Amino acid sequence: DGGITQSPKYLFRKEGQNVTLSCEQNLNHDAMYWYRQDPGQGLRLIYYSQIVNDFQKGDIAEGYSVSREKKESFPLTVTSAQKNPTAFYLCASTPQGGATGELFFGEGSRLTVL
Amino acid sequence: QKEVEQNSGPLSVPEGAIASLNCTYSDRGSQSFFWYRQYSGKSPELIMFIYSNGDKEDGRFTAQLNKASQYVSLLIRDSQPSDSATYLCAVSSGGYNKLIFGAGTRLAVHP
Repeated sequence: DGGITQSPKYLFRKEGQNVTLSCEQNLNHDAMYWYRQDPGQGLRLIYYSQIVNDFQKGDIAEGYSVSREKKESFPLTVTSAQKNPTAFYLCASTPQGGATGELFFGEGSRLTVL
Repeated sequence: QKEVEQNSGPLSVPEGAIASLNCTYSDRGSQSFFWYRQYSGKSPELIMFIYSNGDKEDGRFTAQLNKASQYVSLLIRDSQPSDSATYLCAVSSGGYNKLIFGAGTRLAVHP
């Protein structure tokens, strides 16, 4: 089945450690996104990529890094510089030129810093 | 800072009633408006989108847009307990598919 796969679903990290969240899609979508969601808050855009080997910072990019070496993959690294990394992380994709602007979301990765 | 505002709720309605969810936005240049439903612990799913002033109906859902007032709403008719979720309003900002999300309104439909 086509979709977006995020892993791991749950992740615990000690302070000072980097961690990488995986996002893979087989929808042949051009654009991919990473959002962060905190309790009682909306989704905030971390990074997005509209094409392979290119990506742009979103509203809260500090302490995060991404790569887009393949169309299917858009991993997010949460670095030790991110001061409050505990959150629900959502990866999304959409076809370039799609009519509705619908974001297709993965199931999310919940990161907890101990 | 471009913003999207929603009442956090919870909005409690009896089964079979109409639920009315509201959203205001600050960017007058926004062109596209979306409503996503998010069940607890799950990812959001798109339920409605609207681009033009007026009403747009899809089954039990009606989206209403008033660009002059910078206001968008979602009506859910014949509310069911399965509609109990958080509803996120999202507004386009600055480019294709770059969305700003509100914090969401939690809806509780009780039997």
